[in-house]
Amino acid sequence: GESVGLHLPTLSVQEGDNSIINCAYSNSASDYFIWYKQESGKGPQFIIDIRSNMDKRQGQRVTVLLNKTVKHLSLQIAATQPGDSAVYFCAENPPHYDKVIFGPGTSLSVIP
Amino acid sequence: EAQVTQNPRYLITVTGKKLTVTCSQNMNHEYMSWYRQDPGLGLRQIYYSMNVEVTDKGDVPEGYKVSRKEKRNFPLILESPSPNQTSLYFCASSFRSGGAPNYGYTFGSGTRLTVV
Repeated sequence: GESVGLHLPTLSVQEGDNSIINCAYSNSASDYFIWYKQESGKGPQFIIDIRSNMDKRQGQRVTVLLNKTVKHLSLQIAATQPGDSAVYFCAENPPHYDKVIFGPGTSLSVIP
Repeated sequence: EAQVTQNPRYLITVTGKKLTVTCSQNMNHEYMSWYRQDPGLGLRQIYYSMNVEVTDKGDVPEGYKVSRKEKRNFPLILESPSPNQTSLYFCASSFRSGGAPNYGYTFGSGTRLTVV
C-alpha cells in the first residue's frame, strides 16, 4: 500500500527572539535525553543533554527542560540567530537499551 | 580535530553491486553506530558496536553487514544493494561510561547513497 510520510514540524522565529522547540518522548522510564542540531548537508551535532534526575539544564544560550510527568522535553534558544536555522532532534535512552531513540525533528527557520 | 570521517560523501551505484562505506573515528570511542535517515522516517539505527569484535543489530539491519576489527573503524557493507537502500547514512561514535554508552554521539558528515 501507499505509505504516507510525516511532515516535519516547523517553527519560524524572528532573529533576536527566543525559540522554544518541544518534544514528546515515548518511554516513561527513559533516563537520559539529548538534543541534536542538524544543519543542511551536515550530520547531527550534540547540543545539550539532561538526565532524568534533573528538570532543567543550561548551556550557552540553550536551556533544556524536562517534565517527566507528561513525558515532555523542550529546548529553549535565547536570542535566536540565523545560524540557529536547522532541524532539531530530541533523543531518549530507555533503560536497558544500548541506543537512543530519535524523535522526528523540528525545522527551525530564523527570519532576519 | 576530533571527528568521525565517512567515505565516500556521495555514491551512485547499481543494484547488486557490493559496496562498502567506511567510517573512522579518532576519539578512542568504544561505541559506534550506523544510522540511515529518510524523509518522514527520521534517523533509524542499522547496526551498532559496543567495542571491538562486538556488534549487534539495530532497528533496520536487513541488507547490511558491519565489522569492528579495530576500535577506530566501523565499515558498513551492502552485499547486494537494492533501490530501497537509497538513503542518507550517518556513522556515529561515543564513549561508554559505567558500561553504558554515553549517548552524546559525534556524527560523521553523512554518505548519500543512490542505488539505481
